[in-house]
Amino acid sequence: DAGVIQSPRHEVTEMGQEVTLRCKPISGHDYLFWYRQTMMRGLELLIYFNNNVPIDDSGMPEDRFSAKMPNASFSTLKIQPSEPRDSAVYFCASSRRTSSYEQYFGPGTRLTVT
Amino acid sequence: DAKTTQPTSMDCAEGRAANLPCNHSTISGNEYVYWYRQIHSQGPQYIIHGLKNNETNEMASLIITEDRKSSTLILPHATLRDTAVYYCIVRVAVSSASKIIFGSGTRLSIRP
Repeated sequence: DAGVIQSPRHEVTEMGQEVTLRCKPISGHDYLFWYRQTMMRGLELLIYFNNNVPIDDSGMPEDRFSAKMPNASFSTLKIQPSEPRDSAVYFCASSRRTSSYEQYFGPGTRLTVT
Repeated sequence: DAKTTQPTSMDCAEGRAANLPCNHSTISGNEYVYWYRQIHSQGPQYIIHGLKNNETNEMASLIITEDRKSSTLILPHATLRDTAVYYCIVRVAVSSASKIIFGSGTRLSIRP
């Protein structure tokens, strides 16, 4: 089992550029979650999907952020345009409906916006 | 979801039991207690969860008080690899509300 796969692992970009983060959940998992972690705010849930459908996006900070899940094995989190305050580690996690208590996290993408 | 209160940091000697407390005095009858941990530079990792009975798995034990207002995570024989931030979370375990709200957690340091 490869676990949750995220790419890229590190991203450095300039303010105003578009950034796309990618996630491949564990095969067979029904739920996919995007989190953001910073020193100031800790670990925050941004959005989660159930069977590829967005269920709760109340954590998405503003319209510059968007997330999609076109199929069960792929999701993207896009920031356009990026700003320095978006610098953080972004985690993707997945879980099964029958054991939704246990979320499996990916290694994260460290984003730096200069 | 009920709010939890944890000490900011703790330390424990290697080989000893690490006991991490969590207060959740406003917990509801249908809310579970979950523990996750995050080792530096990694994503959080599920440890254990319980409703009202004590639970044990290969990683840890969870002791929940009879009134369910507090709990303790026990790592029976702490090793240096157990150094991490430990999150106590309370939430309803239904599929329509599967999101986890992480607090600030307890930073556990294991000393040699």
